[in-house]
Amino acid sequence: EVQLVESGGGLVQPGGSLRLSCAASGFTFSSYWMHWVRQAPGKGLVWVSRINSDGSSTSYADSVKGRFTISRDNAKNTLYLQMNSLRAEDTAVYYCAREQVWYYGTWGQGTLVTVSS
Amino acid sequence: QSALTQPASVSGSPGQSITISCTGTSSDVGSYNLVSWYQQHPGKAPKLMIYEGSKRPSGVSNRFSGSKSGNTASLTISGLQAEDEADYYCCSYAGSSTANWVFGGGTKLTVL
Repeated sequence: EVQLVESGGGLVQPGGSLRLSCAASGFTFSSYWMHWVRQAPGKGLVWVSRINSDGSSTSYADSVKGRFTISRDNAKNTLYLQMNSLRAEDTAVYYCAREQVWYYGTWGQGTLVTVSS
Repeated sequence: QSALTQPASVSGSPGQSITISCTGTSSDVGSYNLVSWYQQHPGKAPKLMIYEGSKRPSGVSNRFSGSKSGNTASLTISGLQAEDEADYYCCSYAGSSTANWVFGGGTKLTVL
């Protein structure tokens, strides 16, 4: 069964850091581009970042550029999102998603990040 | 990169058909036939319903269909059922020069 399981969310103070993980199973992780998408409470989905299959190319939404870093470890079948200089507006459920050439075929269950003092 | 524009809400009675629009620009929806649609029930992860504008993944009911005209994509649900009540989001590739992907703001579908 194809599965993505996020972890690492929690409560963090403004200006703090957090690293999210997304463990993949049931498919050849190293063959797929991966994305992070977030959803603030009661709001819509927002694309955050993506990484290509071997980790050599990344891109970010303007709102997180310079603060967030996406990476992957294909040997561990795991996707990461390092989040620094966190702001209240980064509060959201963060989903990892597998790109199947121009669409998201598989989503994780999400992990909640709350930025508050 | 601005979000794609969707109506905040739509409603319909069981058995009826509804259409949700998704308006972008010539830089995203208009340039690529790569619009996908996702269904999200409360507290759940999104689920793919339509990809590449009009293709249905295996397991998705043929009551769901997608189309595009110019800068606007549409999702039509026919024969509405109670379980269709959910939030629906469109998404489009937006090119590598800016944000790669852009979502719509979401539409709440209420089955009356």
